[in-house]
Order: sequence, then structure tokens, then C-alpha cells
Amino acid sequence: EVQLVESGGGLVQPGGSLRLSCEASGFSFSGYWMSWVRQAPGEGLEWVACINPAGSTTNSVDSMKGRFTISRDNAKNSLYLQMSGLRVEDTAVYYCVREFWAFGDYWGQGALVTVSS
Amino acid sequence: EIVLTQSPATLSLSPGERATLSCRASQSVSNYLAWYQQKPGQAPRLLIYDASNRATGIPARFSGSGSGTDFTLTISSLEPEDFAVYYCQQRSNWRTFGQGTKVEFK
Repeated sequence: EVQLVESGGGLVQPGGSLRLSCEASGFSFSGYWMSWVRQAPGEGLEWVACINPAGSTTNSVDSMKGRFTISRDNAKNSLYLQMSGLRVEDTAVYYCVREFWAFGDYWGQGALVTVSS
Repeated sequence: EIVLTQSPATLSLSPGERATLSCRASQSVSNYLAWYQQKPGQAPRLLIYDASNRATGIPARFSGSGSGTDFTLTISSLEPEDFAVYYCQQRSNWRTFGQGTKVEFK
């Protein structure tokens, strides 16, 4: 059974940093593109960043480039999102997503990040 | 950026009725479009990919059609568990979502 379990969410002040982790199991993690997708409270979905199986290619939405960094450790079956310069508008549930041809076929339960003073 | 516009914003229907949801792209996305279902407090679930292919385990009452800029998700006969929010997503140029259509009880 495919499982994606996020951790690392919480309350952070504006301008602060946070690192989200996602532990994957039930599939060959090193063979898949992986992504982070977020959802602000009561709002729609926004694709944040993606990374190729080897971890050598990443891409992210323009508004987050330079602030958010996606990475992975295939030996640990783990995906990460390093977030810095956090803003109030970054408050959201962040989902770890396994990609299937750039669609999300499996999603974690989400990690809530709240940016507030 | 490719903008996806979903309509209607809300669809009020009864169980057993047919639901027709629309997604329009600001430029052609070929058939690189997916549909997701999201229930309150849950992660989205992939229903349809590449416009018309059902994902693993998705019931046959869900079907997708369209290409280019106009797409449709059809639920042939609504079951109680189908009342949820539905999103379309394109992968032609980066990845963007529509704003969602809520299917609610009439």
C-alpha cells in the first residue's frame, strides 16, 4: 500500500523558516517524480514544486522560487521542502504527492503550516 | 501561465441525478488534463487523467471527455459519497488547477 506521511508543520513567525518532510512507503520511491502541493484554508489547490527521481532536476512556481527548495533522499525514501522567508499568505496545508505523468496519483494527509505573529 | 476556469462554482443536485462539470483552459492543453475529488478534511483523489482515463479503482460512473481547451467531467448517477469538490488540473505547461466546483445536495 502506498503511503505518504508528512511531518514538520507548525506555527512560524513571518520571515521564519520551516522544513517539511515526507516519508514514503509501499512503492519504489527512487523511481518517481515527487511534488508538494498546497491549499490555503478554504481555498483551492496550488502546485508548489516538483523533483525528478534522481533529485537532479527541480522546478517550482515562480512566486516561491528563491524561498522554497524541494529535495529528496532516496536512501531514506524521503522528500523535503525547505521554506524560508515565510509570509502570512504561505499559511496552508502542504501535501506530499507522488506524480504519475505530472498528475498526482497518491497524496499524503497533509501538514499544516501557519505563518503568524 | 495556463488558467483553468471551472463552471459552475456550485452544482446543486440530488442522488441519482447526472452531474456535468466543465473546465476551460486559457490555451490548448491537448489532452493533458486531470480531475480530482476532494472531501472535507481529506486530500484530493485522482479520478481521471489525460482527459478521459479513469484512475485505478475509480467507478465507471465517472467519465471525462474533451481536448484542447474544453473538458467535461460527468458523473452519470450521483451516489451520496460523490458530494464533494472537484478540481481540474493541467500538465501541459507546469501544473495548474482550476478553482473547483462544489457538488452539493439539493
